[in-house]
This record gives sequence, structure tokens and C-alpha cells, in this order.
Amino acid sequence: EVQLVQSGAEVKKPGESLRISCKGSGYSFTTYWINWLRQMPGKGLEWMGRIDPSDSFTNYSPSFQGHVTMSPDKSISTVYLQWSSLKASDTAIYYCARRFCSGGTCYFDYWGQGTLVTVSS
Amino acid sequence: DIQMTQSPSSLSASVGDRVTITCRASQSINSYLNWYQQKPGEAPKLLIYVASSLQSGVPSRFSGSGSGTDFTLTISSLQPEDFATYYCQQSYTTPRTFGQGTKVEIK
Repeated sequence: EVQLVQSGAEVKKPGESLRISCKGSGYSFTTYWINWLRQMPGKGLEWMGRIDPSDSFTNYSPSFQGHVTMSPDKSISTVYLQWSSLKASDTAIYYCARRFCSGGTCYFDYWGQGTLVTVSS
Repeated sequence: DIQMTQSPSSLSASVGDRVTITCRASQSINSYLNWYQQKPGEAPKLLIYVASSLQSGVPSRFSGSGSGTDFTLTISSLQPEDFATYYCQQSYTTPRTFGQGTKVEIK
């Protein structure tokens, strides 16, 4: 069974750093890109970017470029999303999702359960 | 960026109703359009990919159609478990973008 399991909720202060994780199981981890998405309180879904776990290649949305960093650890089938300096506006639920591609199209077929990040002084 | 616009933003419907949600892209995306369902407190779930292909395990009352810039998601007979928020998403180019969501509520 394919699963993406994310790390638990975090409460941080503005300016602090943070790294959250997404661990894949039940499939060949390096075969599929992992995407990160943000959902701010009461709002819709925003695509942050994606990472190829096999070679660490990343593709960030311009809206998030320079503010977050994605990285993999193939040895433990895990990808990370990290911030060096959090802002209150980073308060959101963050989802990882596996990208599946077939016949020239791609979609997010499996999702993590989400990680709630709260940034407050 | 490609803008995705859903309508309506919310709707009230009864069990058994036929429900249609539309999604419009700001430019042609061929058939690179996916639909997701999200229930409160849960992660989104893939329903439809490449505009009209039903994801495995998704009930056949869900269907999708369209190409180019205009797409629809139809629920043929609304069931109690279908009350949720629905999002369209284009996979034509990056950055991937979503519609603002359509909340389907109980009448």
C-alpha cells in the first residue's frame, strides 16, 4: 500500500527555522517526484514546488522560490521542506503529494495527511 | 501563470441531486485538468485526471468533461459522503495552479 506519512504539527516563533518531513512507503521512492502544497487557514490549495528524490532536482513556484528549500534523503525514503526564517504568514497546513505521470499527463495520486505549521509570537 | 476559475464558489444541494461544477482556464490547457475532493480535516483526494478519466476506486457517479479552457465535474446523484470542497488543477505547465474551490453543502 502506497503511503506518504508526514511529520507532526509544529508551533514556532517568527524568525525561527523549521524542517518538516514526508516519508514514502509501499512504492519505489526514487521513481516518483514529490510535490509540496500549502493550504492557508480556510483557503485553497497552492503548489509550492516539487523534487525528484532520485537526483535532488527541484522546481519551485516563483511564489515560494527563495523562501523554502526541498531536499531528499533517499536512504530513508523521505523528503523535507524547510524554512530558515519563518513568518506569521507561513501559518498553514502543508501537504506532500506524489506525482504520477502516464500518457503525457501528470497528477497527484497519493497525498500525505498534512502538517499544520503555526507561526506566532 | 495559468489562472483557474471555478463556479460556483459554493452550492447547496440535496441527496440525489445532479450537481455540476465548472472550471475555466485562462488559456488552453488541452485536457491537462484534474479534479480533487477535500473533506474537512482531510487531505485532498484525486477524483478525475486528464479531464475525464476516473481514478481507480472513485464511484462512477463522478464524471468529468471538457478540453481547451472549459471543463465540468458532474456528480450524477449526490450522496451524503459527497459533501465536500472540490478543486480543479491544471497540469499543463508549471507552476501548477488550482481553482479556488467549490464547496458543496447540504440543502
